[in-house]
Amino acid sequence: GPKVLQIPSHQIIDMGQMVTLNCDPVSNHLYFYWYKQILGQQMEFLVNFYNGKVMEKSKLFKDQFSVERPDGSYFTLKIQPTALEDSAVYFCASSPGQGNYAEQFFGPGTRLTVL
Amino acid sequence: QEKVQQSPESLIVPEGAMSSLNCTFSNSASQSIWWYQQHPGKGPEALISIFSNGNKKEGRLTVYLNRASLHVSLHIRDSQPSDSAVYLCAVSMWGKLIFGQGTKLSIKP
Repeated sequence: GPKVLQIPSHQIIDMGQMVTLNCDPVSNHLYFYWYKQILGQQMEFLVNFYNGKVMEKSKLFKDQFSVERPDGSYFTLKIQPTALEDSAVYFCASSPGQGNYAEQFFGPGTRLTVL
Repeated sequence: QEKVQQSPESLIVPEGAMSSLNCTFSNSASQSIWWYQQHPGKGPEALISIFSNGNKKEGRLTVYLNRASLHVSLHIRDSQPSDSAVYLCAVSMWGKLIFGQGTKLSIKP
């Protein structure tokens, strides 16, 4: 089936540094998402993105977070500066449409460890 | 804020038996309900979704939705060792998925 790729699979950084998580969505998809999963907890919605704009963000999407997809390349999540509580697995997803019938396809996740 | 709760936390089922997983949600106006399967180290993969009250069958999977009781269940007939995974219930709210904490299913050969 359609594949979403995420790069890197693991990232370890020091608190206060900047990190960029990269997502290669399914080629003809138009809607993009980031979710966060802290170890042992449920996956939580961060943000969704369409046509170059953030459509909705949760309270977890702090001011230090930003997303973009320049020129149809990777869909990225940037955290600057990072904090200890940002340690989690971040999942990217994409879908061909929005709404409740559009399946979201997930990548394998990027495990971020902030020291 | 929509809340999604799954039960049980973990389940062990003999090979060939029926696996039954439960999910409750807090908002009766919730849109569609999705079930995802997640293997270790992988992202979730959609199995089946339902919007209308009643049931929906796809292969070995059957899902039942009762909006009045805010309950949805997933049943896997003839469970196989390859079905061992974490199963996530998710409510779709206009493009945003709200997940439960998951049920870890283990199929015992």
